[in-house]
Amino acid sequence: SQQGEEDPQALSIQEGENATMNCSYKTSINNLQWYRQNSGRGLVHLILIRSNEREKHSGRLRVTLDTSKKSSSLLITASRAADTASYFCATDASGTYKYIFGTGTRLKVLA
Amino acid sequence: ETGVTQTPRHLVMGMTNKKSLKCEQHLGHNAMYWYKQSAKKPLELMFVYNFKEQTENNSVPSRFSPECPNSSHLFLHLHTLQPEDSALYLCASSDGTSGDNEQFFGPGTRLTVL
Repeated sequence: SQQGEEDPQALSIQEGENATMNCSYKTSINNLQWYRQNSGRGLVHLILIRSNEREKHSGRLRVTLDTSKKSSSLLITASRAADTASYFCATDASGTYKYIFGTGTRLKVLA
Repeated sequence: ETGVTQTPRHLVMGMTNKKSLKCEQHLGHNAMYWYKQSAKKPLELMFVYNFKEQTENNSVPSRFSPECPNSSHLFLHLHTLQPEDSALYLCASSDGTSGDNEQFFGPGTRLTVL
């Protein structure tokens, strides 16, 4: 079964608004990462949160992790048109070098 | 040149062709990965190499053959592919020595199998 699942699958907002994406996973993890992908390009690492952390910030990004619910959320504040991309969460199920990615959330920020 | 590079960026091949995808990382990393990304599907891990040794083969058909001659280079040899193999193939690398494996991705090779 899929380790990471993001929701919503697609999100459309106006520039300046906040965007929230959620990720759920099924097994215990060591850490969870969020990546961004612009159309047809490689993924770019955004932020990593360890299993013993509950919240982390990086610029306009805020990530939370609830290991009891096996879920994480990514909040992008004051969104910009340049934030338009697909966002993926990735989890490592067993502390190996194997990360499982979800299907992603497609975010569109309208100028 | 920095980061992770992939060549070619686009490839069109027939089912009887043999071709290779190349990935090179300039980050001093020890782990390298091949992923397949098809439309509306999760990113699929294909192979993992750590210190040039293959540590993961995610039930990939034998028509895909990886090669890792050193920690900086990774190849994916393709032969007798099927149209359903058309996808974006992404290479990534990571430090490989720490538990926090942030992955750095290349731009991908868009493969079309006719």
